[in-house]
Amino acid sequence: KAGVTQTPRYLIKTRGQQVTLSCSPISGHRSVSWYQQTPGQGLQFLFEYFSETQRNKGNFPGRFSGRQFSNSRSEMNVSTLELGDSALYLCASREQGPQETQYFGPGTRLLVL
Amino acid sequence: EDQVTQSPEALRLQEGESSSLNCSYTVSGLRGLFWYRQDPGKGPEFLFTLYSAGEEKEKKRLKATLTKKESFLHITAPKPEDSATYLCAVPGGNQFYFGTGTSLTVIP
Repeated sequence: KAGVTQTPRYLIKTRGQQVTLSCSPISGHRSVSWYQQTPGQGLQFLFEYFSETQRNKGNFPGRFSGRQFSNSRSEMNVSTLELGDSALYLCASREQGPQETQYFGPGTRLLVL
Repeated sequence: EDQVTQSPEALRLQEGESSSLNCSYTVSGLRGLFWYRQDPGKGPEFLFTLYSAGEEKEKKRLKATLTKKESFLHITAPKPEDSATYLCAVPGGNQFYFGTGTSLTVIP
C-alpha cells in the first residue's frame, strides 16, 4: 500500500496570509490526525478527523481548522498566519481506534515571513 | 495530567557502543506505547508498539521493553545509520502524547 502523502512539501508565506495543506491517508484508513512540530515544543496535536467528523481537538487557536472528505483525504487550513506558525506540519493516519498505530506522512514545511 | 518524558535529550555514541533510551509516562490506563524514529526534515517512521508490562520487541539492533511506568529502547552495537531522533508516544484521553525525543548521534 502507498504511504501517507502530503502536499505541498514546502511553503513560504507572509504574515496575515492563509494556507491550506493536504493529506492523503493510507488506503483503508479512516482516521487522520494533524500535528505541528517545532524544535522547542516537539510534536503537538492539532486535531483528528474520522469519517468526515472532527473527533478530537488539541489546544490550538481557532485559526487552525481542518476538514475531511468522504474519501478520507484531509485538509488543514491556517488563517491569518503568524511568524510562530512556522513549523513542520505532519499528518498521520490509522484505521480507526485510538490505540492503533499511526503512520506519518513526510510533512509540509511551512515558513512564515 | 497525561505526560510523556524522554531522556536523555541527546546522546552521542561511538559506533559499536551500546546504550539505552528512556521513555516514562504518567498516562493512566495504558493503551499502548509507540516508538518512532525521525530523520531530519522527515515524518516519524513507526518502529514498535508495546501493549503490556514485560513485553519486548526487536528489530535489527533495536529492542524495546515496557514496564508499568516506562519503556526503554536498547540500541546494541549501533552504526552511524542509526543516528536519528527517537520518539515515544502514548494514547491518552482523546489524543496521542509525544515525548520531545532523544537525538542520537553515532560516530564512526
